[in-house]
Amino acid sequence: AQTVTQSQPEMSVQEAETVTLSCTYDTSESDYYLFWYKQPPSRQMILVIRQEAYKQQNATENRFSVNFQKAAKSFSLKISDSQLGDAAMYFCAYRLLYGGATNKLIFGTGTLLAVQP
Amino acid sequence: NAGVTQTPKFQVLKTGQSMTLQCAQDMNHEYMSWYRQDPGMGLRLIHYSVGAGITDQGEVPNGYNVSRSTTEDFPLRLLSAAPSQTSVYFCASSFLGTTGSPLHFGNGTRLTVT
Repeated sequence: AQTVTQSQPEMSVQEAETVTLSCTYDTSESDYYLFWYKQPPSRQMILVIRQEAYKQQNATENRFSVNFQKAAKSFSLKISDSQLGDAAMYFCAYRLLYGGATNKLIFGTGTLLAVQP
Repeated sequence: NAGVTQTPKFQVLKTGQSMTLQCAQDMNHEYMSWYRQDPGMGLRLIHYSVGAGITDQGEVPNGYNVSRSTTEDFPLRLLSAAPSQTSVYFCASSFLGTTGSPLHFGNGTRLTVT
């Protein structure tokens, strides 16, 4: 069974600094998607970034980028120039590419990010 | 464009009571699902559906029922509420297929069972 592990329950970063959130996963499949979702105090789940496992190039979305290491099964999220609005719970998630009829998303336990002014 | 709409936002139940959490989406998504979020455990899949009339169990289905009579609606029923079902519940939907369509989430329902 696939699993997703986020080993940092809490992280803190100074405003304007860079922070990296870790995520590892376990799967025997070769084709899959990885996601980072952000959950601010409003409870809303917001997609931050998505990575296709068959793409070697790391995904980037403005200040958010990932370091995808397929052999190591690692998928870390880097937030550059951190802003107060980045304070949130961040979830790493995994989904099979050929999900058949399921589209099931498997989540990690989350990392709570605090941004210090 | 409403996206995924969940109601109610908050609910308090007594042990043994039943209730239905409503979920509707207007994006014509084939796939719909229910997750529960508990501290330290992330989001866990309760039930999911790939189309009208088709549902299946997720990771934590006990104590919950679902049905999918239309593409738009996917209600979650608690048959006899227990304190262990105190949680935040999310409905999420997406297109099926291999395009990596991301899940779109509702804003969640905070349920407390006393």
